[in-house]
Formats: sequence, C-alpha cells, structure tokens
Amino acid sequence: EPEVTQTPSHQVTQMGQEVILRCVPISNHLYFYWYRQILGQKVEFLVSFYNNEISEKSEIFDDQFSVERPDGSNFTLKIRSTKLEDSAMYFCASSDSGKGHRDEAFFGQGTRLTVV
Amino acid sequence: RKEVEQDPGPFNVPEGATVAFNCTYSNSASQSFFWYRQDCRKEPKLLMSVYSSGNEDGRFTAQLNRASQYISLLIRDSKLSDSATYLCVVNIETGRRALTFGSGTRLQVQP
Repeated sequence: EPEVTQTPSHQVTQMGQEVILRCVPISNHLYFYWYRQILGQKVEFLVSFYNNEISEKSEIFDDQFSVERPDGSNFTLKIRSTKLEDSAMYFCASSDSGKGHRDEAFFGQGTRLTVV
Repeated sequence: RKEVEQDPGPFNVPEGATVAFNCTYSNSASQSFFWYRQDCRKEPKLLMSVYSSGNEDGRFTAQLNRASQYISLLIRDSKLSDSATYLCVVNIETGRRALTFGSGTRLQVQP
C-alpha cells in the first residue's frame, strides 16, 4: 500500500538554527500538506502545495517557514531561526490522485522536532 | 464557537460494548467530513469519510446531519485494538483543501 514517508523521525535543534523536514508524498497525489501537532494539542494546518506553488497557508505559516518541491518526489518544510515554541510533531500529508475521493488526506508518520 | 468541537472523553468501555462519538462543526458550508484515529504519538489515520446518506464499514457507522451541523461515529462490538483517540475532521470551506481537526475523543476499551 503506498504511503507518505518522512525523515528524520526525530530532530533536535538549538534555538535559532534552521531545520529542514523532508517528506516523500504518495507518488500519484497532486496536493501536499504540512500540519503540526504541539504535544497535547490538536492537529493544525500549516500549508498546502499544488502545481509547484503554495495554494493555501494558515496564520501559523509566517515568514519563518517555507516549502519546496526540489525534485519530482521530495517535499520539504524549512523552518528558519527555530524558536522553543516550534517544538511539535510535524506531519506531511498528500491527497487527490485525480480520481476517487479527492479530499481524503494520508499522513506520514511525522517528524518530532525538539528545539532546545 | 470552535470550528470543530468534540467531547474530549475519555470514554472507558468494556470489550464488546457499543460506543458513540459526536462532533459539531461551525460552518454550514463545509463540504467534506472524516473520522481519523490517532494512536499515542502516531500520525492520524483515515478511518472513514462521512457521506450525507450515512455509511458503514464493518463495525463502524458514520452519520452526517447537515441541518444540525453534526457528525457521529458509532463503534459496535468494541475491541481492545479500538483504543485510540478519534478525530473529527472537516474541510471547513468550499474550494479549500485544508482540513480542520477537532481535539479528539479518547477511547479506552477495557478487557
């Protein structure tokens, strides 16, 4: 069964450093997403990406964040100058193979980011 | 009013019990509705989409009431493996792809 894969599973970084979280979405999906979940809180939408550009973003997704699809398979989230409050689980997701249930999103196993 | 609201639980039920979760959403124009399950410190996994006519998948039945802006999930014959947090998820706005998550309802099935 195709799945979304994320690396690394856990990233520890010092405050102020830049991190890049990596994802390989399901290969025939058209939409890609990043969500985050702070420990004990609900899952929150960050950004969606379609046709090589951002299609939606939330208020959380400020200038500190950027996304990129550097090649045909990877989808990355970059966080510049990390803050303590960026510590969370970051989930990549993908959806819409162009047929069937377009809105059903499938999530990767997540990257736990710890900022110290 | 929260965009997607759920009873946080926990629901503690014995094996074999039937349990029901409810969820309300704030935007009457919402188009797509889902139930996901999330195990501790794991990713959300799609359990089922929710359709206007209601739908069933084995022991799981989902219902949507657009007039009341209410979604439900019924689990029959609970198994120990059903223990998880159940997330009500809504595509809140027409034309958007972003999903809005409820805070989840914790279910603990006991032997």
